[in-house]
Amino acid sequence: DIQMTQSPSSLSASVGDRVTITCRASQGISNYLAWYQQKPGKVPKLLIYAASTLQSGVPSRFSGSGSGTDFTLTISSLQPEDVATYYCQKYNSAPPFTFGPGTKVDIK
Amino acid sequence: QVQLVESGGGVVQPGGSLRLSCAASGFTFSSYGMHWVRQAPGKGLEWVAFIRYDGSNKYYADSVKGRFTISRDNSKNTLYLQMNSLRAEDTAVYYCAKTAAAGTSYDAFDIWGQGTMVTVSS
Repeated sequence: DIQMTQSPSSLSASVGDRVTITCRASQGISNYLAWYQQKPGKVPKLLIYAASTLQSGVPSRFSGSGSGTDFTLTISSLQPEDVATYYCQKYNSAPPFTFGPGTKVDIK
Repeated sequence: QVQLVESGGGVVQPGGSLRLSCAASGFTFSSYGMHWVRQAPGKGLEWVAFIRYDGSNKYYADSVKGRFTISRDNSKNTLYLQMNSLRAEDTAVYYCAKTAAAGTSYDAFDIWGQGTMVTVSS
């Protein structure tokens, strides 16, 4: 099975900072990669699909990039409401639909 | 609006069974693949199972294969997860989630239910 890793596991940044989270697949998954945001006590929310396509309604400060095995989620200017855990997930044509272990983001 | 509502969670003894339901509304349920995802307390997301829009294909995580069964009733707009031989490590919030695009098995999960808690404990 393809394994998904994320780094860092947690980070603390100031409001307005640029934040980058990395996701790596153990084998190539083309662009079958999604990013989810889960705020404390809330349901996961789809942010980005196809590695770089912003889901409708998601603020433009979020962006995704990458293909193959290496992907990034960037928050261009961190806001207090972005405090959450972020998960990557692969959904290519080979189940399981594995999630990464998550990256917890908070405000410094 | 598009909505998924899970039910059926509760406390069950190890070795016991439970059936979860997920009622869908606001979209053409029979056109979309559906998933179950779980989250143990304080842990990350774990994909559990998938069923194709027409029920013809089903996939399971190794951790639940042979114990859990995913099914759907498109006439009732409802997804199910039958959980047998439950273990303490199955304790989690269980979410149902919808694939973003109709007619495909491989897509992101765009709508999630609010989750239902399953606790396996003696």
